[in-house]
Amino acid sequence: DQQVKQNSPSLSVQEGRISILNCDYTNSMFDYFLWYKKYPAEGPTFLISISSIKDKNEDGRFTVFLNKSAKHLSLHIVPSQPGDSAVYFCAAITGGTSGTYKYIFGTGTRLKVLA
Amino acid sequence: GAGVSQSPSNKVTEKGKDVELRCDPISGHTALYWYRQSLGQGLEFLIYFQGNSAPDKSGLPSDRFSAERTGGSVSTLTIQRTQQEDSAVYLCASSWDRLEKDTQYFGPGTRLTVL
Repeated sequence: DQQVKQNSPSLSVQEGRISILNCDYTNSMFDYFLWYKKYPAEGPTFLISISSIKDKNEDGRFTVFLNKSAKHLSLHIVPSQPGDSAVYFCAAITGGTSGTYKYIFGTGTRLKVLA
Repeated sequence: GAGVSQSPSNKVTEKGKDVELRCDPISGHTALYWYRQSLGQGLEFLIYFQGNSAPDKSGLPSDRFSAERTGGSVSTLTIQRTQQEDSAVYLCASSWDRLEKDTQYFGPGTRLTVL
């Protein structure tokens, strides 16, 4: 039962154009979302996050949009650069018992930016 | 400063053997997580440690899996009587405090191959 879904396993984009990575979730109790980027042979690194009280968060070339009614978020990278080529994971945080939190990760989307 | 480190980076073992995977979190981080990523899958939560509290073992797939965290720092994930389906990349992450929606910092992972 995949609570966080990234339905596109891969995406190719031309350098300079916009990359849009999508993520859908099923649990309306998720209230915080993160995007991680992973290069081969390295661990994921945090990229950007958004709280459910917002619908947009921007950091340089990276913007995350959240549509709570659709249970959908997306990561926009503009302009895309060859160095952005990596696997991108969407993650959601849900409140657990005793005030702790659990991270639920999607399956990832492999982005390839073509020079 | 030093990030999260994991050893070994690669481990090949025969079915039925036991393996130990090590994680050194970032100094001062009280929360430590183990995940695994099987081929084509997302990051699957295994176990979490927070300070001196009892670990959250809810993600461990079977009783062949166990983990320890000594002195609130280094952690060891042990898989007994390995099976071929245990083959995956095992990732460790740490953060300051799981009681906050905090960014996790990942290690490079250990790629386990069970023949």
